[in-house]
Amino acid sequence: GQNIDQPTEMTATEGAIVQINCTYQTSGFNGLFWYQQHAGEAPTFLSYNVLDGLEEKGRFSSFLSRSKGYSYLLLKELQMKDSASYLCAVMDSNYQLIWGAGTKLIIKP
Amino acid sequence: GAVVSQHPSRVICKSGTSVKIECRSLDFQATTMFWYRQFPKQSLMLMATSNEGSKATYEQGVEKDKFLINHASLTLSTLTVTSAHPEDSSFYICSASSGGAMETQYFGPGTRLLVL
Repeated sequence: GQNIDQPTEMTATEGAIVQINCTYQTSGFNGLFWYQQHAGEAPTFLSYNVLDGLEEKGRFSSFLSRSKGYSYLLLKELQMKDSASYLCAVMDSNYQLIWGAGTKLIIKP
Repeated sequence: GAVVSQHPSRVICKSGTSVKIECRSLDFQATTMFWYRQFPKQSLMLMATSNEGSKATYEQGVEKDKFLINHASLTLSTLTVTSAHPEDSSFYICSASSGGAMETQYFGPGTRLLVL
């Protein structure tokens, strides 16, 4: 079956760095997405990786290793507004998005 | 760019009534639109995928006669929850893609439905 694993919850301190991991097993691979979802709101797109390596976008970076079925989202200089759920999603060979359950990130002052 | 709107943002209705939710892509043409449902503290669950001008493809377990989807234009898709029941209360979110299912999806703000 298809499976996306990410930690349920993480806690970090304002100003620090946090890494949210995502491992996947899917039938085929056509890219991996990270979305941010604040409580009660819809997800917003953060990043897309289809080739191995690190993609940097401001305070957020996303890494992909296709051979390991692994990705991480790195958040630097954490701000209180970064408290949210972070969803990892993989597009399979049928171009269907397989969603992880999300990682709830709690930022403490 | 890539702005998607949804209307209404919140709706409360009586059991047995029908509710229509609109999803619009404001600054791009959405070849494909997706409808999701999200229960509290759970991840998104895809309900159906619709391409402009054709019938929607429903996921297993989603009743097509209960959740009517119309994608009449490249900027508008509607989801109608027919004869709504309390168990249909959920957060309904649409997303849109300009290049089909293989492209990045951009989400609308969601519609919170409460059926009494």
